[in-house]
Amino acid sequence: EADIYQTPRYLVIGTGKKITLECSQTMGHDKMYWYQQDPGMELHLIHYSYGVNSTEKGDLSSESTVSRIRTEHFPLTLESARPSHTSQYLCASSESWTDYNEQFFGPGTRLTVL
Amino acid sequence: GEDVEQSLFLSVREGDSSVINCTYTDSSSTYLYWYKQEPGAGLQLLTYIFSNMDMKQDQRLTVLLNKKDKHLSLRIADTQTGDSAIYFCAENSGNTPLVFGKGTRLSVIA
Repeated sequence: EADIYQTPRYLVIGTGKKITLECSQTMGHDKMYWYQQDPGMELHLIHYSYGVNSTEKGDLSSESTVSRIRTEHFPLTLESARPSHTSQYLCASSESWTDYNEQFFGPGTRLTVL
Repeated sequence: GEDVEQSLFLSVREGDSSVINCTYTDSSSTYLYWYKQEPGAGLQLLTYIFSNMDMKQDQRLTVLLNKKDKHLSLRIADTQTGDSAIYFCAENSGNTPLVFGKGTRLSVIA
């Protein structure tokens, strides 16, 4: 059983609000990732981190930002939410420094921006 | 960038075998993975195969890898209604994030 948690599970907010999606893992993994998942299933990597104070942008341009101050915690922030941000957000983590890269996923946050 | 392609939908009858196919472009892939996503949940690793293997079997699951054609398949024997989910193919080479396909939605008809 993967020990990776996301809160909240569901969030409905109005346009222009600032929100932070939380992701924590207790496995001591150095690598962490954020994905945005379309209603049509496709996953888009939006941010990743290879360790504390390391963050990289993914393949999909995103208006969100991330921080990695502690190994176990990788929050994602939207400064001003818009309806186009409505999506499912999945956090994942994996061990580092080997080619085998099993990623453990959290349950996701379903965000709706009105 | 590297790409992973898979068909979007598959429908099978309960008890039949399911075969989900995937093609990839990265010739330096070291591992290839199959993930399963059930409704309302995150992804969970089903199985994986190292790039120097041709086949891997794990209970009802058989993974076949044709490295020359860059083709990966997942066979589920005796498919059950509980197998209905989205299945993602993924690959990586070295210390890089996984590249995922768009997912295949498997529907099992009772």
